[in-house]
Amino acid sequence: EVQLLESGGGLVQPGGSLRLSCAASGFTFSSYAMSWVRQAPGKGLEWVSAISGSGGSTYYADSVKGRFTISRDNSKNTLYLQMNSLRAEDTAVYYCAKDLTPNDFWSGHDAFDIWGQGTMVTVSS
Amino acid sequence: QSVLTQPPSASGTPGQRVTISCSGSSSNIGSNTVNWYQQLPGTAPKLLIYSNNQRPSGVPDRFSGSKSGTSASLAISGLQSEDEADYYCAAWDDSLNGSVVFGGGTKLTVL
Repeated sequence: EVQLLESGGGLVQPGGSLRLSCAASGFTFSSYAMSWVRQAPGKGLEWVSAISGSGGSTYYADSVKGRFTISRDNSKNTLYLQMNSLRAEDTAVYYCAKDLTPNDFWSGHDAFDIWGQGTMVTVSS
Repeated sequence: QSVLTQPPSASGTPGQRVTISCSGSSSNIGSNTVNWYQQLPGTAPKLLIYSNNQRPSGVPDRFSGSKSGTSASLAISGLQSEDEADYYCAAWDDSLNGSVVFGGGTKLTVL
């Protein structure tokens, strides 16, 4: 069964850091670009970041550029999101999501066909 | 304010056909394909329609998508109580540095 399982969320103070992980199983992880998408409480979905299958190319929303870093370890089938300089507006459920089509590159055009269950990040003093 | 515009709510009775609209611009829907996601209460989003009108395996053919110009629509026929959920459209936006953009979501209520 294709599955994504996030972890690492929690409560952090403004200005703090947190690293999220997403463990993948049931598919050839390195063949797919991956993304992080977040959802603030009671709000809609917001794409945050993406990474190519090899990890050689990364992409960020303007709202997190310079503060968040996406990475992956294909030997461990795991996706990461390092979040620094966190702000109250970063409070959200963070989902990892898999591209529908196997490609090393990420174009942004592909759909996200598998989503994790999400991990909650709360930024508050 | 979302880049793609959806009505905040929609409703229908069981068996009815409902449509949810998604309005964009030439930099997103007008030049790229649209995907639709269903989010049941308290769960992660699920891919419902991709590439404007394609259904992943396992999605009932009651769900269909279409696109015309800078707008897209999701239609649900034979409405069922389990269709009560939030629905989001999404597309690539070519402007500035490029980004995946989502609609604000439409909450569908089955009366």
